[in-house]
Amino acid sequence: GESVGLHLPTLSVQEGDNSIINCAYSNSASDYFIWYKQESGKGPQFIIDIRSNMDKRQGQRVTVLLNKTVKHLSLQIAATQPGDSAVYFCAESSRGKTSYDKVIFGPGTSLSVIP
Amino acid sequence: EAQVTQNPRYLITVTGKKLTVTCSQNMNHEYMSWYRQDPGLGLRQIYYSMNVEVTDKGDVPEGYKVSRKEKRNFPLILESPSPNQTSLYFCASKLYARSLNQPQHFGDGTRLSIL
Repeated sequence: GESVGLHLPTLSVQEGDNSIINCAYSNSASDYFIWYKQESGKGPQFIIDIRSNMDKRQGQRVTVLLNKTVKHLSLQIAATQPGDSAVYFCAESSRGKTSYDKVIFGPGTSLSVIP
Repeated sequence: EAQVTQNPRYLITVTGKKLTVTCSQNMNHEYMSWYRQDPGLGLRQIYYSMNVEVTDKGDVPEGYKVSRKEKRNFPLILESPSPNQTSLYFCASKLYARSLNQPQHFGDGTRLSIL
């Protein structure tokens, strides 16, 4: 499969446990945040998003928490399954100076699920 | 099926030989973008397009060209490829160019190796 990063932080969790993946973002003016999942040989897939006027949003087995005070975003995956093994990265979005949408992607975290 | 399609998926070529990576989306999206993904650097934007005949530089545009003659297609052109353009490339799109709160849909990537 494709190698998406040789120096990624890694997280190993036991199947069935909860996973927490963290992301520090850089721009205090960012007002929209997205988590993507990237499996080997695939493009990034949207998981969940959150706007800056919220601090928590829940999806199916996933929860995103936003702490604007410390510019921190986290993704919680409940009851982690082998199919959750992938690289996860956050993205922050804000109005750019000359464009409508400036998106900055984090480097990613590699999640390995131990059966 | 709604998707972003890139071709080729893999290409090995030599320095200076012009190449084009095609990208097509079937979702009638206004916004399209090209990224490159390198180890430890995450996704970096090369060029983007807000609509037909409207394109602009991203963060790393040097050595690349794009065109947007039709809404569905957004080819990436390397006029004179060099080894530092060896990378994993992703095309992405989203429905409305001016809407901040939307995730992008990604293709499955094109692995380019320039010898």
